[in-house]
Amino acid sequence: DTGVSQDPRHKITKRGQNVTFRCDPISEHNRLYWYRQTLGQGPEFLTYFQNEAQLEKSRLLSDRFSAERPKGSFSTLEIQRTEQGDSAMYLCASSLGENTGELFFGEGSRLTVL
Amino acid sequence: KNEVEQSPQNLTAQEGEFITINCSYSVGISALHWLQQHPGGGIVSLFMLSSGKKKHGRLIATINIQEKHSSLHITASHPRDSAVYICAVQGDGGSNYKLTFGKGTLLTVNP
Repeated sequence: DTGVSQDPRHKITKRGQNVTFRCDPISEHNRLYWYRQTLGQGPEFLTYFQNEAQLEKSRLLSDRFSAERPKGSFSTLEIQRTEQGDSAMYLCASSLGENTGELFFGEGSRLTVL
Repeated sequence: KNEVEQSPQNLTAQEGEFITINCSYSVGISALHWLQQHPGGGIVSLFMLSSGKKKHGRLIATINIQEKHSSLHITASHPRDSAVYICAVQGDGGSNYKLTFGKGTLLTVNP
């Protein structure tokens, strides 16, 4: 099964450290999304790529956050100088087509900042 | 006020009962998604709809664009249906890639 995969699934880090998450979307999917979800809340939009172009970045993302999708395939989300408030589940999703079709989500990467 | 409101927030049912989860939204949309999330697990797309009604197995989703309201129904509920059900609306026009999510409805089906 070549669904959306995310790595690592869990990350525990100390405040101030940098972390990087990777998302491998379904291979032919041109659209890739990053969301953040905290306990008891629905996911919140972080950023969106169409192929390799990052078309929107939420104002939720401070300048400590950066995302890339260098060849229009996998994507990385980096958080620099992590803070406890960054603790959350980071979800990646992908879809195919000109408009957002059915979304396929990864299992998420859970970040705990101590 | 959130752009997407779900009700109820929590729902407990007995196996076999008919379940309804509601979603109301306040913005223009191009489509509405119903998603399922198991505890600690990823999210699975159940339906994407922009009008009318869709059915898949024991699940039925309806949408009324004029009233800005959608419902997710589960017939003959089963304990394995226990999960969080999330409604998400897809923006229209230039924001058609962006989903705005409700907070979810936690469904527990007891045997």
